[in-house]
Amino acid sequence: GEDVEQSLFLSVREGDSSVINCTYTDSSSTYLYWYKQEPGAGLQLLTYIFSNMDMKQDQRLTVLLNKKDKHLSLRIADTQTGDSAIYFCAETPDSNYQLIWGAGTKLIIKP
Amino acid sequence: DGGITQSPKYLFRKEGQNVTLSCEQNLNHDAMYWYRQDPGQGLRLIYYSQIVNDFQKGDIAEGYSVSREKKESFPLTVTSAQKNPTAFYLCASSPRQSSPGYTEAFFGQGTRLTVV
Repeated sequence: GEDVEQSLFLSVREGDSSVINCTYTDSSSTYLYWYKQEPGAGLQLLTYIFSNMDMKQDQRLTVLLNKKDKHLSLRIADTQTGDSAIYFCAETPDSNYQLIWGAGTKLIIKP
Repeated sequence: DGGITQSPKYLFRKEGQNVTLSCEQNLNHDAMYWYRQDPGQGLRLIYYSQIVNDFQKGDIAEGYSVSREKKESFPLTVTSAQKNPTAFYLCASSPRQSSPGYTEAFFGQGTRLTVV
């Protein structure tokens, strides 16, 4: 079945770039998403990319998609303390519109 | 303001009791979902509903029940049959898609359930 994998933790220094990685197994994925969850709260859609795109940039966020390797990454430039959160990768397979979730990567910011 | 509201934010349950978590949305979304979140395990789907009076089991439905009598509401009951109910529960909604494609899920703020 479909599977989405992420590392559980990433630690970066304030001001550095953060790169959060995700791999998925379903080659028919149509859309891939990044959601952000702040402590004790629900998730919010951060950004998404359509499967026929390689890159999408939105202010400090850059999403890179390598369809051949089924690898998705989220780069956050100039990481700030407000970026501390859990970041979830998700996909919608071509077979349906259910969201398939990764386990989430907790981003820890060091001063 | 449109949104999705879960209540209560914190809930304590004694062993052997059933409890019901509330989820209400005013986004006019057809689809609603319940997820369970445990540390390091991401989101696991409990139940989902694509239309009023219809719902399907997710990956971990055992020990849970739902109803969808109104479009706006999708309550989740955690029954005494659920052996390890302590977790963070998230409700979400999305517009129903007529074909596979872009799906944006809107989440509530979650309910933290603790068995005491």
